[in-house]
Amino acid sequence: KAGVTQTPRYLIKTRGQQVTLSCSPISGHRSVSWYQQTPGQGLQFLFEYFSETQRNKGNFPGRFSGRQFSNSRSEMNVSTLELGDSALYLCASNFDGTGTAYEQYFGPGTRLTVT
Amino acid sequence: GNSVTQMEGPVTLSEEAFLTINCTYTATGYPSLFWYVQYPGEGLQLLLKATKADDKGSNKGFEATYRKETTSFHLEKGSVQVSDSAVYFCALSGWSTGNQFYFGTGTSLTVIP
Repeated sequence: KAGVTQTPRYLIKTRGQQVTLSCSPISGHRSVSWYQQTPGQGLQFLFEYFSETQRNKGNFPGRFSGRQFSNSRSEMNVSTLELGDSALYLCASNFDGTGTAYEQYFGPGTRLTVT
Repeated sequence: GNSVTQMEGPVTLSEEAFLTINCTYTATGYPSLFWYVQYPGEGLQLLLKATKADDKGSNKGFEATYRKETTSFHLEKGSVQVSDSAVYFCALSGWSTGNQFYFGTGTSLTVIP
């Protein structure tokens, strides 16, 4: 099976702009989670989507949003970019079988730099 | 609530040294426990997991035992190699967390020849 893919891999944006990142989960996986990783804050949970619905949400401002499509592909959007949004954005998918914790599989990440 | 606490790094070891990275957790219910590894410039990869108390997960010479009585899941390796240099994350998830993953802050390991 192909792994989790994320596009683009690298992105440079200017303050005030908006950005959309894309994630394609492993085939058959229905849950997609997004994380922000920075040297200072470590790995922080943004949100999780399951069957096109946001199921869990981390503690990020409303500038961060996401969605999931019927094929389980997911996008996250950041509006009005700030310098502090520079980070590695990781996407992870898992099957989410009922009552069982399946390991998450991570993509390579999108490195966002805001100037 | 749910949380994971890892020993702070960075950790620097000589090749062939013994490695322990401590991880303790707080959770409602009985979560599964995981160790992930992140090599420079890459995403996280699952290293090993344990789904119930007293289970031992193992992979690539690494192992960790799910200790319910001490709420711990310490990562160990008997003889580290330079190629083990990476950041290691402890995590938990399960039915009681709504399958949301909770990660520790990560521990950076550098192995010198």
